[in-house]
Amino acid sequence: QVQLVQSGGEMKRPGASVKVSCKASGYTFTNYGISWVRQAPGQGLEWVGWVNPYNGHTNYAREVQGRVTMTRDTSTNTAYMELGSLKSDDTAIYYCARDRDSGGWSPEAYWGQGTLVTVFS
Amino acid sequence: QSVLTQPPSASGTPGQRVTISCSGSTSNIGSKTVSWYQQFPGTTPRLLIYNDNQRPSGVPDRFSGSKSGTSASLAISGLQSEDEADYYCATWDGGLRVFGGGTKLTVL
Repeated sequence: QVQLVQSGGEMKRPGASVKVSCKASGYTFTNYGISWVRQAPGQGLEWVGWVNPYNGHTNYAREVQGRVTMTRDTSTNTAYMELGSLKSDDTAIYYCARDRDSGGWSPEAYWGQGTLVTVFS
Repeated sequence: QSVLTQPPSASGTPGQRVTISCSGSTSNIGSKTVSWYQQFPGTTPRLLIYNDNQRPSGVPDRFSGSKSGTSASLAISGLQSEDEADYYCATWDGGLRVFGGGTKLTVL
């Protein structure tokens, strides 16, 4: 069965960076894109970006463009999201989610358990 | 402020049919497929509808999606208490993924 297991919660100071991991299992990692979606406390879902594990191609939301880097390690079937120059507004649960279909960008069908990133001063 | 507009709240009584709207523009809903997600408090989102009106396996047929022009709708028939949750629409716009602001559904 498809599983996405994310790394544990993080507490960071403003200006710092955070790197969240998402380890995939139960399917061929390079066949399906991975999105990162965040949810601030009490707020809605916000798309952060998408990575194609096959070739590493990425798309990022304008709100985090220049601060975010999404990568993948095909040897360990793990996707990573690194967000720098953290601000208090970045405090949120960060989810990784796998595309429903292979061969292109499709809706998120399988979700990780979420990683709480707290930015505090 | 999302480019997709959803009502912040909706409500219905058990057995009723309710609809949740998602309004966009020609650059998103008008030209891309729409998906819908259900999220209970403290849990991860669940894909409910994709490609405007397709249900993943395991999603009851009480849930249906439709689209017309630059608006999409999620309909829930035979409303049940366990349907009380937050619902989000999503699509693509200019090569980026966008979510609606979400609708909190209350079952009275």
